[in-house]
Amino acid sequence: GAVVSQHPSWVICKSGTSVKIECRSLDFQATTMFWYRQFPKQSLMLMATSNEGSKATYEQGVEKDKFLINHASLTLSTLTVTSAHPEDSSFYICSARLAEFGELFFGEGSRLTVL
Amino acid sequence: GQNIDQPTEMTATEGAIVQINCTYQTSGFNGLFWYQQHAGEAPTFLSYNVLDGLEEKGRFSSFLSRSKGYSYLLLKELQMKDSASYLCAGVDSNYQLIWGAGTKLIIKP
Repeated sequence: GAVVSQHPSWVICKSGTSVKIECRSLDFQATTMFWYRQFPKQSLMLMATSNEGSKATYEQGVEKDKFLINHASLTLSTLTVTSAHPEDSSFYICSARLAEFGELFFGEGSRLTVL
Repeated sequence: GQNIDQPTEMTATEGAIVQINCTYQTSGFNGLFWYQQHAGEAPTFLSYNVLDGLEEKGRFSSFLSRSKGYSYLLLKELQMKDSASYLCAGVDSNYQLIWGAGTKLIIKP
């Protein structure tokens, strides 16, 4: 199957700093990538849909100025958590799909802890 | 509105069979996914159904009834490593995934 790589796997930062998470499709081109957040013992929550070459589409309640998404190429999308606070501590996961509709391939996830 | 319902938690015995149900209400329907997620890890793909019926893949099978808005994931010959959360996700008319909250499956020896 297709491979999606996410980096870093773990990140610990101080409150007020910004953190960037990368999501790469290693062996295919992904025009669309998805960013999710998952709090402990809860399901995935879609944050935004990242479209290559255009602005991301954010879900209701997700602050676009706080969670900056850039999809500069067909194989890379980045999520930047700006001015992170302890309540932003969560498991962030990206996914991509081969075609407009099809199986989603997930990155390994990035666990963010904000002190 | 759109909604996916699945049980929060289930317990089963090693070697047994368990069925995890999922009911869905979506605006249009373009299929249903099942994913497995171990604690602290990303989900992994198990199955995709868009036509009615049962699809078998090794120890795991998935069933869909479009008329009833219902699906289930059947796990046979349970192993301890099957302890995980199982996520049901429906695909709506815009090809967006609507996620269920997941069913935590606990396997006991």
